[in-house]
Amino acid sequence: GDSVTQMEGPVTLSEEAFLTINCTYTATGYPSLFWYVQYPGEGLQLLLKATKADDKGSNKGFEATYRKETTSFHLEKGSVQVSDSAVYFCALRPSGNTGKLIFGQGTTLQVKP
Amino acid sequence: NAGVMQNPRHLVRRRGQEARLRCSPMKGHSHVYWYRQLPEEGLKFMVYLQKENIIDESGMPKERFSAEFPKEGPSILRIQQVVRGDSAAYFCASSPRADNEKLFFGSGTQLSVL
Repeated sequence: GDSVTQMEGPVTLSEEAFLTINCTYTATGYPSLFWYVQYPGEGLQLLLKATKADDKGSNKGFEATYRKETTSFHLEKGSVQVSDSAVYFCALRPSGNTGKLIFGQGTTLQVKP
Repeated sequence: NAGVMQNPRHLVRRRGQEARLRCSPMKGHSHVYWYRQLPEEGLKFMVYLQKENIIDESGMPKERFSAEFPKEGPSILRIQQVVRGDSAAYFCASSPRADNEKLFFGSGTQLSVL
C-alpha cells in the first residue's frame, strides 16, 4: 500500500543553519504531496504542497520539490530560526482520494540560538 | 473565524470506561476526518464523515470505536471500554469540500488510559 518514510529525528541545528528533512514515498498513480508542521501544543498546519511532478511548493522560506523519478519530497530551508522548532510531517494524498492523508512518522526539529 | 475546535484537550479514563471526543469543524465545513497519533508515530487515518454519513471508516478498529457527525452539533468519536493501548492524541480535521486538498486541524485531544 501507499506509504511515506521520513528521516528520523530529532534534528538539532544552530540558528541560520541549512535544513534538509528527507521524505520518500511509495504510491500508485499521481499522489499530491504535503508538508505539515506541528508546533508544541497545537494541531497540524499545512506548510506547503505540490500536486504534480516537478512542482515546487514553498512557504515561509521552506521549499520542497516533487521528484517522481526518485519518489521524494525533501523539505529544505536555507536559514532556520529558533521559531522553526517544531515537528514536521510529510504526507501524501493518493490520487483520486479525498482528505484521507497518509503521514510519515514526523521529524522533530530543534533550533538552538 | 474560529478554527477547528476539539474538546476536551486532555481526557483521563480508567480501563473499561467510555471516552467521548468532540470536534466542531470550521464554519462552513461539512467534511470531518479523525486521525490518531500514537507515541513516536505519525498520524493514522481513522474515519471520514460528512453530515449524517460515514464515508470511509477503513482506519477504524473493528470493535469499541464509533464515530458520528449529526446534522446538528459536533462530530463525536466514541471509544467504549477503553484499554491502555487507546492512549494517544486524537486529531480532528475539516474541509469545505471532498476534493479540497487543505485540511484544517484541531489541537487534538490527548487521551490517557490508566
